[in-house]
Amino acid sequence: GAVVSQHPSWVICKSGTSVKIECRSLDFQATTMFWYRQFPKQSLMLMATSNEGSKATYEQGVEKDKFLINHASLTLSTLTVTSAHPEDSSFYICSARPDTGWVNTEAFFGQGTRLTVV
Amino acid sequence: KQEVTQIPAALSVPEGENLVLNCSFTDSAIYNLQWFRQDPGKGLTSLLLIQSSQREQTSGRLNASLDKSSGRSTLYIAASQPGDSATYLCAVREAAGNKLTFGGGTRVLVKP
Repeated sequence: GAVVSQHPSWVICKSGTSVKIECRSLDFQATTMFWYRQFPKQSLMLMATSNEGSKATYEQGVEKDKFLINHASLTLSTLTVTSAHPEDSSFYICSARPDTGWVNTEAFFGQGTRLTVV
Repeated sequence: KQEVTQIPAALSVPEGENLVLNCSFTDSAIYNLQWFRQDPGKGLTSLLLIQSSQREQTSGRLNASLDKSSGRSTLYIAASQPGDSATYLCAVREAAGNKLTFGGGTRVLVKP
């Protein structure tokens, strides 16, 4: 199946600093990628939809100025958590769906990034 | 607004027993439904994808059924093994858009 690579897999940062998470589709192009957040023992909550070449679409309640999304190419989307605080500590997962091909309706997920803000 | 529910939230079975995981959704206007497996602290692994026009999909010991009219899907795992221990998530893709709506997941423990 298609592969989505997410980096880093974990990161610890100080309160007030910014952290960038990368999501890459390794063997397919993805005009659209998705960013999710998952708190312990809870399900995934969609934060935003990342669109190549245009602004991301944020879900209700998600601060776009705090969670900056850049989708600069058809294989890379980045999520930057700005001025991170302990309550931002969570598991962040990206997803991508290939633009074309026989798997064009299946979503593939990265391995996730564990963010801990101290 | 689409809501996806998974019952039970947790399940413990002895090795060899068949697993039955349930997923229900409130809006039947879906494009497809996908079952995932998530190990602790890891990302999601896609298990099965069922298109809205299909009634079931099979892969090895896994079988997933879909009854769109009643808003239900069931994942069957035959002859469970300790390695099947994980959280299983179902997600629906609505016909109108791209995003997936997830259920809360079922945490499965298969005891040797």
